[in-house]
Amino acid sequence: DQQVKQNSPSLSVQEGRISILNCDYTNSMFDYFLWYKKYPAEGPTFLISISSIKDKNEDGRFTVFLNKSAKHLSLHIVPSQPGDSAVYFCAASRGEGGSEKLVFGKGTKLTVNP
Amino acid sequence: GAVVSQHPSWVICKSGTSVKIECRSLDFQATTMFWYRQFPKQSLMLMATSNEGSKATYEQGVEKDKFLINHASLTLSTLTVTSAHPEDSSFYICSARERTSGGYNEQFFGPGTRLTVL
Repeated sequence: DQQVKQNSPSLSVQEGRISILNCDYTNSMFDYFLWYKKYPAEGPTFLISISSIKDKNEDGRFTVFLNKSAKHLSLHIVPSQPGDSAVYFCAASRGEGGSEKLVFGKGTKLTVNP
Repeated sequence: GAVVSQHPSWVICKSGTSVKIECRSLDFQATTMFWYRQFPKQSLMLMATSNEGSKATYEQGVEKDKFLINHASLTLSTLTVTSAHPEDSSFYICSARERTSGGYNEQFFGPGTRLTVL
């Protein structure tokens, strides 16, 4: 039972354009969502998060949008850079700050072409 | 952010042997550590949660006698894969969180350990 779903296994965009990574969840008890970036053979690195009381959180080139009614969130990267190429994981938890048990999606491999 | 290390970064062992993986929080005291496993092209799956000084809590379907977790200090947790078999080959990642006066902080992840069982 996949509670967090990332339906696109891969995404390819041109440098300078926008990258949009999507994530859906099924458990309405989730109240905190996080995005992680991961390179091969490395652990995930925290990117950005959002609490369920908000619908948008922005940090530099990264913006996360949350649509609670649709149980959907997305990560926007603008402008995309070749260094952004990695696997992006969406994660959800029931605890503030992502300190509780995290449930991960399968990830989306982003490739930013120069 | 806080730093979490894992050792070894990769290990190859023979079927039937046991392998110990260490997870250390280098610049903070981790009251809780989490152990995850990732198979190729799959998500990170939580295996167990360990709190310092107490027994680990295992997720459904994870054999506690096969995956022994010890969290004896605030900076070290170990995962021992006992009697390893080829199907245990995977990428094992730990994360750690610190308890502060304001509550719990976010989880910080280690770099992972690649286990290959021949």
